[in-house]
Amino acid sequence: AQSVTQLDSHVSVSEGTPVLLRCNYSSSYSPSLFWYVQHPNKGLQLLLKYTSAATLVKGINGFEAEFKKSETSFHLTKPSAHMSDAAEYFCVVSDLHSGNTGKLIFGQGTTLQVKP
Amino acid sequence: ETGVTQTPRHLVMGMTNKKSLKCEQHLGHNAMYWYKQSAKKPLELMFVYNFKEQTENNSVPSRFSPECPNSSHLFLHLHTLQPEDSALYLCASRQGNYGYTFGSGTRLTVV
Repeated sequence: AQSVTQLDSHVSVSEGTPVLLRCNYSSSYSPSLFWYVQHPNKGLQLLLKYTSAATLVKGINGFEAEFKKSETSFHLTKPSAHMSDAAEYFCVVSDLHSGNTGKLIFGQGTTLQVKP
Repeated sequence: ETGVTQTPRHLVMGMTNKKSLKCEQHLGHNAMYWYKQSAKKPLELMFVYNFKEQTENNSVPSRFSPECPNSSHLFLHLHTLQPEDSALYLCASRQGNYGYTFGSGTRLTVV
C-alpha cells in the first residue's frame, strides 16, 4: 500500500530565504510522486512530478524536488521564497500500476507562510 | 482555467434538498475522480471512473450518487446530506500517469 507523510504541518520563512517542505513516502512499487499547491479558495495546481526518470525534478515557479529512494523522501525546495508562494502544499503518491485505478494518495498538507 | 471545469463554484443546500455537482473536461482524459476536501483532513478519494465505468467507490454513503454519462462529464448527485458533508468537492481527470488535472472545486455548505 502507498502512503505519504508530510513532516511539517506549518512552515514559516522570510521572503527571499530558501524553502524546504519535507515529504516521506511508502510504496510497494516504484512510485509516481507529485507536489501540488493550493492557494486559498482555489483548486489544486501541479507543481512537479516524478515518474522514474531523473531523480531531480524541476517544476513551475522555481520549485524542485529530489527523489531519494534510500531515504524514501521527496522533499520540495525553492532557493528564494516569494510572497506569492504562501499556500498549502500537498505531497502525493499515485498507485497507478497494473490493475490499480490510478488514484492519488494525499499527504496531510503543509501550510507555507512567507513573511515580508 | 485548468481544463477541468466544475459548476457551481459555491452551493448552499438544506438537508432535504437534492442538488447535483457537475464536472467537465475536454482534455481527452479517460479517467475522472471525485475527491472531498474537509477542513483539517487530507483529501479523500470518493469515486473513480475509467472509460465511463466506475472502478472504485471508497465506501461513500449512498446519499452521494455519481454519474458518468461519457468520458468528458462527471456528476455528483446529492440528496439528504448532513452538515458534516460540508466541504470542498474536487473533480480531477487523468490520462496515463501524467495528466492529473484538478478543477477549482465546488464549495458545498449543508445547512
